[in-house]
Amino acid sequence: GESVGLHLPTLSVQEGDNSIINCAYSNSASDYFIWYKQESGKGPQFIIDIRSNMDKRQGQRVTVLLNKTVKHLSLQIAATQPGDSAVYFCAERRSNDYKLSFGAGTTVTVRA
Amino acid sequence: GAGVSQSPSNKVTEKGKDVELRCDPISGHTALYWYRQRLGQGLEFLIYFQGNSAPDKSGLPSDRFSAERTGESVSTLTIQRTQQEDSAVYLCASSFLGGGSSNEQFFGPGTRLTVL
Repeated sequence: GESVGLHLPTLSVQEGDNSIINCAYSNSASDYFIWYKQESGKGPQFIIDIRSNMDKRQGQRVTVLLNKTVKHLSLQIAATQPGDSAVYFCAERRSNDYKLSFGAGTTVTVRA
Repeated sequence: GAGVSQSPSNKVTEKGKDVELRCDPISGHTALYWYRQRLGQGLEFLIYFQGNSAPDKSGLPSDRFSAERTGESVSTLTIQRTQQEDSAVYLCASSFLGGGSSNEQFFGPGTRLTVL
């Protein structure tokens, strides 16, 4: 069935190091992918998105990589800061659809 | 302008009671979504409104759940005869258009529902 999942439920990273959060998806029809950040007590916040015709997209301190061959998505955060501590979700859908399918999330904790 | 707002932020109720959750989307956003987020889990799609089209209710878990939207503004999610398994955070999101690759969904802070 359609599902989006994450490889690791938790990630602890030293402040200043780079973080890599992974996601696997199973719906080969999906062609639009999004990473969200959710801080405690708040709703998810859009970080970055990528379409299936791209392999890589960069934002401010974040990079998303998409490997369609193995249906794998990753989010890289450069120079991780305490404010990056949150739960990170990947989500996917078809570009002409509106339903997002979310994974369970990875909790990132930044150590000072 | 203001983001998506939801009320109440927290709701504690007794099993069997009805609850009503409110969402105020971003002004001008035609699409509105409700999601449920159980503790430690991702978001489950519940219902989708787009303009005057019939809502997509395919994610509602039972007939105890219903939602309404007034035009392109406020939406209410109603849960009748609440059960303990209904305890979760209920998130609302809105976007400018329903489909397309850049119709970013903006989320509200959610309503945390606890059913005792």
